[in-house]
Amino acid sequence: SAVISQKPSRDICQRGTSLTIQCQVDSQVTMMFWYRQQPGQSLTLIATANQGSEATYESGFVIDKFPISRPNLTFSTLTVSNMSPEDSSIYLCSVEVWDSSYNEQFFGPGTRLTVL
Amino acid sequence: SQQGEEDPQALSIQEGENATMNCSYKTSINNLQWYRQNSGRGLVHLILIRSNEREKHSGRLRVTLDTSKKSSSLLITASRAADTASYFCATDAGGTSYGKLTFGQGTILTVHP
Repeated sequence: SAVISQKPSRDICQRGTSLTIQCQVDSQVTMMFWYRQQPGQSLTLIATANQGSEATYESGFVIDKFPISRPNLTFSTLTVSNMSPEDSSIYLCSVEVWDSSYNEQFFGPGTRLTVL
Repeated sequence: SQQGEEDPQALSIQEGENATMNCSYKTSINNLQWYRQNSGRGLVHLILIRSNEREKHSGRLRVTLDTSKKSSSLLITASRAADTASYFCATDAGGTSYGKLTFGQGTILTVHP
């Protein structure tokens, strides 16, 4: 398994500002993922962040809005830029861990973002 | 678009009863994972079942997978009030989508003491 922490756990932000969310893992992992969970909804993948390469974004998400950094194998950040109330969501990072032949994904506790 | 669909959307039972949640998906998969989420917090990984497996057990959890029907079920036996949460299935299609999970809409389970 993996222990994942996120900072901040929650924040209330003003429209037009940006927030950077940090994700820290207790072990080195190759693949990290960022998800968004809008109120009352399921999770949607934003992007995949691999160390040493540019993040890969899913349809509907762009780098200008959600820039991602992956400076090493235990850490990543997601920035939500120029925020609007529609960005109010829970943002979660996840990592993939190999255990024998299984590739399980573990999630951080999430960052609850409210944009006013 | 969400690949997974889960039913029921909400399930209310009494403590001690069994709870069954179903998940359907549309494309071929490498594996399917079940997660629990309490009150909008982080997801807890419950169990992973690979495409070549048909059934797995973990404690009070039993997961089945029918790839011919593209469906899975999660059974929680002898439920407890602490099992109250949202449950999500998530599929990993493998290949170029390796590691990218597609989540179902989730089932909200309420277990009454």
